[in-house]
Amino acid sequence: KNEVEQSPQNLTAQEGEFITINCSYSVGISALHWLQQHPGGGIVSLFMLSSGKKKHGRLIATINIQEKHSSLHITASHPRDSAVYICAVLIYNNNDMRFGAGTRLTVKP
Amino acid sequence: DAGVIQSPRHEVTEMGQEVTLRCKPISGHNSLFWYRQTMMRGLELLIYFNNNVPIDDSGMPEDRFSAKMPNASFSTLKIQPSEPRDSAVYFCASSLSRIQPQHFGDGTRLSIL
Repeated sequence: KNEVEQSPQNLTAQEGEFITINCSYSVGISALHWLQQHPGGGIVSLFMLSSGKKKHGRLIATINIQEKHSSLHITASHPRDSAVYICAVLIYNNNDMRFGAGTRLTVKP
Repeated sequence: DAGVIQSPRHEVTEMGQEVTLRCKPISGHNSLFWYRQTMMRGLELLIYFNNNVPIDDSGMPEDRFSAKMPNASFSTLKIQPSEPRDSAVYFCASSLSRIQPQHFGDGTRLSIL
């Protein structure tokens, strides 16, 4: 079993829909990272969080440390949100990182 | 700010050759990371530097891989000798500290024939 599981693997939505991508992990972590990888391959860091909730524009990330679960929400989705979203965890008391397999999001106009 | 700069963007070479990938982190960032991304294994952390010192190289696949950071503004990842299974996209990222958001370079797409 992977230490970081993302769901769904693939997600297709209509423009304007509310999107939720989930990340569950089985290890102790010091922080969790949400990354966005564009179709061209470039990677952008969206959020790094260790508790609670963070918001940036139409993006919201939440984390529940007790349940070892994080969600990434996109409100009023747009075709330019189409990308692969990757969850990554920083292992607690360690310098290692573990990555989810990614969620491929396609938003249709 | 120019962001993290990686070179080359693409590299195609024959197996057995030495490959050197380069990275210039964002000025003032103390942490530097090298990643590899393949279709089969996804993203993997290869090595992490803090203040130019390698902190964790447990992700480096084997002795053919080596990474250096001679100063705060430059790092290299070297593969010698290269093998076809090393074909991947290699990303460099930097951040103010390990637990701060990372800024990624555009990656180097490496193909070993």
